[in-house]
Amino acid sequence: ILNVEQSPQSLHVQEGDSTNFTCSFPSSNFYALHWYRWETAKSPEALFVMTLNGDEKKKGRISATLNTKEGYSYLYIKGSQPEDSATYLCAFKRVANDYKLSFGAGTTVTVRA
Amino acid sequence: SQTIHQWPATLVQPVGSPLSLECTVEGTSNPNLYWYRQAAGRGLQLLFYSVGIGQISSEVPQNLSASRPQDRQFILSSKKLLLSDSGFYLCAWSVRGQGLLNSPLHFGNGTRLTVT
Repeated sequence: ILNVEQSPQSLHVQEGDSTNFTCSFPSSNFYALHWYRWETAKSPEALFVMTLNGDEKKKGRISATLNTKEGYSYLYIKGSQPEDSATYLCAFKRVANDYKLSFGAGTTVTVRA
Repeated sequence: SQTIHQWPATLVQPVGSPLSLECTVEGTSNPNLYWYRQAAGRGLQLLFYSVGIGQISSEVPQNLSASRPQDRQFILSSKKLLLSDSGFYLCAWSVRGQGLLNSPLHFGNGTRLTVT
């Protein structure tokens, strides 16, 4: 079982404020790191697939960075809006001849208007 | 465009009863297919994945089984449900051949299973 940890478990943000949270994963045998957004009553939606150390990806007001050497990734939300309220999941894939993604428990973001 | 259908959305079953959850994918061929479960307060746990018809990889010992009778159909089953089988079940697909390197998972809407 691969240990993928996300912190904090939940956070509340005022509309317009920016925020960030962390995903920690094993630093050895890194293959890929996925980020998903899971809104209430919807299915999880892929945000990013990250593969290279130092990689930075952006989608609208959401961006993510990756440090494979130390085993962490940050997700940033700039100028939070109520529609950003969701649980954000990260998932780690190690180097192996399989299709196993190990998910963290998620960070639940609530944006207050 | 690709779509994934999963049903039923909710299910309440007594202990000892059988289970069959179905998932179908449209708009893509030869997908990798997955069954995940989320127990309360925990992350998504991979139960099974399949890279082709009749090919099933099981990740955890459990009371469940999976089958892939057709290329775009994935079924999760149990002969006798346990209380511990309660949870939220998600089906997903990804593009075969990209090893989750460039292809993320695409999830269905999930099934809330309550075993009473």
